[in-house]
Amino acid sequence: DGGITQSPKYLFRKEGQNVTLSCEQNLNHDAMYWYRQDPGQGLRLIYYSQIVNDFQKGDIAEGYSVSREKKESFPLTVTSAQKNPTAFYLCASCSGQGEAFFGQGTRLTVV
Amino acid sequence: GENVEQHPSTLSVQEGDSAVIKCTYSDSASNYFPWYKQELGKRPQLIIDIRSNVGEKKDQRIAVTLNKTAKHFSLHITETQPEDSAVYFCAAMVSGYALNFGKGTSLLVTP
Repeated sequence: DGGITQSPKYLFRKEGQNVTLSCEQNLNHDAMYWYRQDPGQGLRLIYYSQIVNDFQKGDIAEGYSVSREKKESFPLTVTSAQKNPTAFYLCASCSGQGEAFFGQGTRLTVV
Repeated sequence: GENVEQHPSTLSVQEGDSAVIKCTYSDSASNYFPWYKQELGKRPQLIIDIRSNVGEKKDQRIAVTLNKTAKHFSLHITETQPEDSAVYFCAAMVSGYALNFGKGTSLLVTP
């Protein structure tokens, strides 16, 4: 529901591995965002993209990478350079009016 | 960049009482101020929003006020019910950029 889908719901990463989180939307929104949620920290912006083939770093971009090759898709790669990746990751797309619609989230755990 | 402060971090009220959550923002260019509700294990969902050309907006038991001069905005929930228990996030956005969130308020409504 909601037109924005994240997968997988749960993801386990071994130390030193890169993993990619998927985010797809069918809302025809230009803007898409990735946030990281930790207890007591709110939602912190990792990367955002206002248009295809363009993206900007957020407040905590180190250790992450993104691509925006299609309007519908904004995958996030958590690289081995991210030393504390265990968190809940939320993807959102934004209407032209500013309202953000969130995916159901991916919970990433390092094992 | 934009900095959003949110208070209190936790709030406990009795059923039927009112609850008020306050946020301040730093960037005077911010012009969109949404509030999101996140229930345990679920995605944040928009409950109300306000734009910089409006001072107050109401939707049934929920209202938001905005003071642009002081750069603060507040969420007011009247006649609280147990199902209002959740984490509430405020956010601020400058057009063309990303939503910046506060750290959240955990609201508990006790019967």
